Amino acid sequence: GENVEQHPSTLSVQEGDSAVIKCTYSDSASNYFPWYKQELGKGPQLIIDIRSNVGEKKDQRIAVTLNKTAKHFSLHITETQPEDSAVYFCAASVPGASKIIFGSGTRLSIRP
Amino acid sequence: EAGVAQSPRYKIIEKRQSVAFWCNPISGHATLYWYQQILGQGPKLLIQFQNNGVVDDSQLPKDRFSAERLKGVDSTLKIQPAKLEDSAVYLCASSTPSGTGGYEQYFGPGTRLTVT
Repeated sequence: GENVEQHPSTLSVQEGDSAVIKCTYSDSASNYFPWYKQELGKGPQLIIDIRSNVGEKKDQRIAVTLNKTAKHFSLHITETQPEDSAVYFCAASVPGASKIIFGSGTRLSIRP
Repeated sequence: EAGVAQSPRYKIIEKRQSVAFWCNPISGHATLYWYQQILGQGPKLLIQFQNNGVVDDSQLPKDRFSAERLKGVDSTLKIQPAKLEDSAVYLCASSTPSGTGGYEQYFGPGTRLTVT
């Protein structure tokens, strides 16, 4: 079945710098890749997603890239701010099913 | 629009007791999911409903966990009897199919269960 690996597990960056989180997936037929942000005590919040017919998608300071050949996708956050501190999860769709498999998460800390 | 509602937000029980969680999805969302999130891990799917039918319950420990969505809207997840390893956050999410085949899932705040 589908498996999603996420790196790094923790990431600390200086405020204003960029942060990059990487994920790999196992099933080449996966076609939907969402990213979620989870703040303490809250449920995961969808922040951006990308489909397999697109190589890159951007929304203000957040961008996601997808490399189907290598089966990996990445989240890029530019000009990081204190409110970006949270746990980020990548996920990949399971082919033939309306469900997604999550990565293990990255705890992002923004240093002032 | 209102988001996914869950209650209670917190629950502490002793092992071997029973507990139930409630979820109200976003209006019009036919698909409802229950996830278990153990501390430090990503959410793991327990069960998926389409309207009031079960689509996937392959990861649900059926000897102690049960779930229902009788009228295709609200859902309840029950654990009976609870074990220490059931301590986790239980998340409910809902979705509706999009035109391009993705299924954007929207999560509730979760119920934090502690089993002592």
